[in-house]
Amino acid sequence: QQPVQSPQAVILREGEDAVINCSSSKALYSVHWYRQKHGEAPVFLMILLKGGEQKGHEKISASFNEKKQQSSLYLTASQLSYSGTYFCGTYTSGTYKYIFGTGTRLKVLA
Amino acid sequence: NAGVMQNPRHLVRRRGQEARLRCSPMKGHSHVYWYRQLPEEGLKFMVYLQKENIIDESGMPKERFSAEFPKEGPSILRIQQVVRGDSAAYFCASSPPSPGQGRFLAKNIQYFGAGTRLSVL
Repeated sequence: QQPVQSPQAVILREGEDAVINCSSSKALYSVHWYRQKHGEAPVFLMILLKGGEQKGHEKISASFNEKKQQSSLYLTASQLSYSGTYFCGTYTSGTYKYIFGTGTRLKVLA
Repeated sequence: NAGVMQNPRHLVRRRGQEARLRCSPMKGHSHVYWYRQLPEEGLKFMVYLQKENIIDESGMPKERFSAEFPKEGPSILRIQQVVRGDSAAYFCASSPPSPGQGRFLAKNIQYFGAGTRLSVL
């Protein structure tokens, strides 16, 4: 039931791009993306509400394919500050429960 | 988000003691989620509360764990007779109220506190 993210981990050099995928076996009404740095709280990045919606935040953008029950997070020209673990999250159909994806660890090297 | 206050930040307990974790939501938010994060793992939903009401506690262990959100004061996550396996980071998040569950929650964004790191000796 937990959304599966891929890859599990990725290492980049500064300036490189990355794509993180989030795939659910259940219908998604929305997808939220968070970044969590080690020892800190998750920080909200963006929300996608509609199928086909794309959002951008600085050099981080995301897309949501409602039919495929997938979302992707795109990190362009990565910076050192992008390092952390990225989680997608969604509310569970028919409940108030919120579930996070399996997480993707991203490390950006100088 | 600095608006959600959790305390203490670090809590050390010996096996068998009680742990009380507090969470004050952001101003204007009346709903609180609690999550547990084991080392090197993701966040796992525990409970969803509004003031004076537990809405969904499907993620709470059946024994030793309880949560409340009184009319006045912070939300409390209480762990009785702690065991080593309870060692984890506990995060709360606050959100505005929602008209319903499932798709009605879709727009609700949760803002997280800094967490309480519980260590059981």
